[in-house]
Amino acid sequence: GQQVMQIPQYQHVQEGEDFTTYCNSSTTLSNIQWYKQRPGGHPVFLIQLVKSGEVKKQKRLTFQFGEAKKNSSLHITATQTTDVGTYFCAGRSEETSGSRLTFGEGTQLTVNP
Amino acid sequence: DAGITQSPRHKVTETGTPVTLRCHQTENHRYMYWYRQDPGHGLRLIHYSYGVKDTDKGEVSDGYSVSRSKTEDFLLTLESATSSQTSVYFCAISLTASNTEAFFGQGTRLTVV
Repeated sequence: GQQVMQIPQYQHVQEGEDFTTYCNSSTTLSNIQWYKQRPGGHPVFLIQLVKSGEVKKQKRLTFQFGEAKKNSSLHITATQTTDVGTYFCAGRSEETSGSRLTFGEGTQLTVNP
Repeated sequence: DAGITQSPRHKVTETGTPVTLRCHQTENHRYMYWYRQDPGHGLRLIHYSYGVKDTDKGEVSDGYSVSRSKTEDFLLTLESATSSQTSVYFCAISLTASNTEAFFGQGTRLTVV
């Protein structure tokens, strides 16, 4: 079945440093979504990427979708303590129909003030 | 936040007992999902529904059953709870199958002792 792998599992940074998490799928994706989960909270949708090579920005966050539509990344510039949480990618395979959204294991970000 | 309510929010139960978790939505979204979240595994799909009385298995469906008799309610049942089912359970909804975001409930923390 489809697998979505995310690295690193944990990332600890000083406030002001940059942060990147990577997502790789075993199959070609029709789209990829990113979610953020604050400690003790529930996942909240950040963005969706659909096109090959697509790049989207939200303030200090930059999201990329790979040319082959099998990988993606989230980059945060100059982290702040409000960025703390776990970031998940989630993808839908082009090879299967239906509504299954497969999540990566998540990257847990901690930020030292 | 989207109108999704999970109940109960916390539950402790004994091994071998049946447990039912409820997800209620007020958004009239067609698709509903049950995920479990465990450290190191991200969010894993248990079952999902694409309409009233229409459900399908996810990647970790063994030991779980679901029912959807109304658009707004999606029930998850553990027929005979085991310690391996101790987890945080999230319900999610989405408007369409393929290209819209998923909205998550607050989660249910279930402990099987």
